[in-house]
Amino acid sequence: RKEVEQDPGPFNVPEGATVAFNCTYSNSASQSFFWYRQDCRKEPKLLMSVYSSGNEDGRFTAQLNRASQYISLLIRDSKLSDSATYLCVVYPTGRRALTFGSGTRLQVQP
Amino acid sequence: EAGVVQSPRYKIIEKKQPVAFWCNPISGHNTLYWYLQNLGQGPELLIRYENEEAVDDSQLPKDRFSAERLKGVDSTLKIQPAELGDSAVYLCASSSLGAGGRDEQFFGPGTRLTVL
Repeated sequence: RKEVEQDPGPFNVPEGATVAFNCTYSNSASQSFFWYRQDCRKEPKLLMSVYSSGNEDGRFTAQLNRASQYISLLIRDSKLSDSATYLCVVYPTGRRALTFGSGTRLQVQP
Repeated sequence: EAGVVQSPRYKIIEKKQPVAFWCNPISGHNTLYWYLQNLGQGPELLIRYENEEAVDDSQLPKDRFSAERLKGVDSTLKIQPAELGDSAVYLCASSSLGAGGRDEQFFGPGTRLTVL
């Protein structure tokens, strides 16, 4: 079983739609969680950190459920520019390196 | 401020040939990482440096891969000899040594390796 699992998609949604991505992680001792965004043939870039209380950044909302070892990302009012791969990322306790999921591809259509 | 610089951006070689990748991290960043990313997958850590010391190289295939970070700044990753399965994107990232686990890692553009 992979340490971080994501639905690979692709998710094809129209502009203005709300879309949600889910992710599960296997290491219950993981201490930090992130969503990274990766455009086609580009490097990953930090989208947002995920906090236990849930957090919002504009149209993006991230949630963490430690009991279920589950992370989510909600994108409201999708834009064409949101088309990318979204990587769920976990920072395991005791190891200063990121563990990435395989990513979920989003395609926002006009 | 300049980001993480990697070269070359693309490399095509024949199997069994050696290849080397170079990375210049963001100025002042103590920690440097090399990741491998296969098509359709997320990046996977190969090695992590704290200054000039390799502190996590458990995922580095040491029979053919080697890395160094002389003087704790630039780093090179070498493969010798390359195999067909080594075709992937090699990403370098850096971060500053901070408290907790929330120091942001900044990635370079990567080197796309094709082994024929």
